[in-house]
Amino acid sequence: NAGVTQTPKFRILKIGQSMTLQCTQDMNHNYMYWYRQDPGMGLKLIYYSVGAGITDKGEVPNGYNVSRSTTEDFPLRLELAAPSQTSVYFCASSYGGGSYNEQFFGPGTRLTVL
Amino acid sequence: DAKTTQPTSMDCAEGRAANLPCNHSTISGNEYVYWYRQIHSQGPQYIIHGLKNNETNEMASLIITEDRKSSTLILPHATLRDTAVYYCIVLSGGSNYKLTFGKGTLLTVNP
Repeated sequence: NAGVTQTPKFRILKIGQSMTLQCTQDMNHNYMYWYRQDPGMGLKLIYYSVGAGITDKGEVPNGYNVSRSTTEDFPLRLELAAPSQTSVYFCASSYGGGSYNEQFFGPGTRLTVL
Repeated sequence: DAKTTQPTSMDCAEGRAANLPCNHSTISGNEYVYWYRQIHSQGPQYIIHGLKNNETNEMASLIITEDRKSSTLILPHATLRDTAVYYCIVLSGGSNYKLTFGKGTLLTVNP
């Protein structure tokens, strides 16, 4: 299994541009998540999904959108990029919640907005 | 979910046991203690979790006090590759799945 894969690994955007961060998992997990991590800080949850067609906001959803049309894919869309969105973005997946919340993380996408 | 308190940093000699403490004095009866770690620039990695009993797996042991107000993650024989930020997270049972990451403990394993 490849686990959780993310593309691209690095990206530089200009203010106002848009982009989609891709995330795919091959573990047939129902739950998927997007986090961002600013320098020296812990991860903050942006959006999450408990299954195909179901998404919900996390702690810091402003400026982002998600969709979940399949079990495997959970893309994150940035509209009108701003310097405050410069961060490392991690996608994760898990079988479930509670005692089944072992989350598997991807390698991250390092985004810089100039 | 209950909040956690961890030391900012710790050092450990290679080959020795690393004992990382976590305080979660407001933990509820149905809340689990999860540990993750993040090696520099990589995505976090799950280590272990527990509810009441002590747990052990191939990576580490988790010791939870009887009153459940604190726990200790033990890496029995630390190696240089264990240098990472370690996060202690309390998570409700049932359908709760939103991990809240604090700043964690930076463990540095020295040669």
